[in-house]
Amino acid sequence: DAGVTQSPTHLIKTRGQHVTLRCSPISGHKSVSWYQQVLGQGPQFIFQYYEKEERGRGNFPDRFSARQFPNYSSELNVNALLLGDSALYLCASTPHSGGAEAFFGQGTRLTVV
Amino acid sequence: DQQVKQNSPSLSVQEGRISILNCDYTNSMFDYFLWYKKYPAEGPTFLISISSIKDKNEDGRFTVFLNKSAKHLSLHIVPSQPGDSAVYFCAASARNYGQNFVFGPGTRLSVLP
Repeated sequence: DAGVTQSPTHLIKTRGQHVTLRCSPISGHKSVSWYQQVLGQGPQFIFQYYEKEERGRGNFPDRFSARQFPNYSSELNVNALLLGDSALYLCASTPHSGGAEAFFGQGTRLTVV
Repeated sequence: DQQVKQNSPSLSVQEGRISILNCDYTNSMFDYFLWYKKYPAEGPTFLISISSIKDKNEDGRFTVFLNKSAKHLSLHIVPSQPGDSAVYFCAASARNYGQNFVFGPGTRLSVLP
């Protein structure tokens, strides 16, 4: 069975640009969450989507947005990139909306220059 | 304001001995706790979890202990193996809050042969 897959694995963007990160959850999982991990810190919650609806939002600016598609895959969009957005972006999926361990993808390493 | 703390950035243990990783939390609403292991260039891998209605959960070489009054949990690995060398993250959530996991900063475990 395929795990959580994320694309791309690495990318480099320039300040002010826009980026879209993609995530496919484990088959049968309906909930997708996004986390940002800055070097030396633990992952920080950005968004949760369940059945295409936003179920939670962390303390991130409006430049960050996400959506979930009918096949439960998800996109994370970041506008007007800042140097501080450089991080590992992790996607996690669970079968339901909460109360269970999450399964993470390998992440997308974003570097903003 | 760190709600989940892992005060030891690193820990070294001899192969075959016990590894004890500690975690403290401040939010009394947390009722579900998890440990994840992370290797470089990979996403976090779920290890073990515990609900606040229990004080111990065991899975093979891994045991998690929860002391609610002290807001403290620990992960015991017995016996430690070189393959256990990784960064370990403690995470907490409140079931009513969906899949918003709050992660600690991690502890790097090195198991020496």
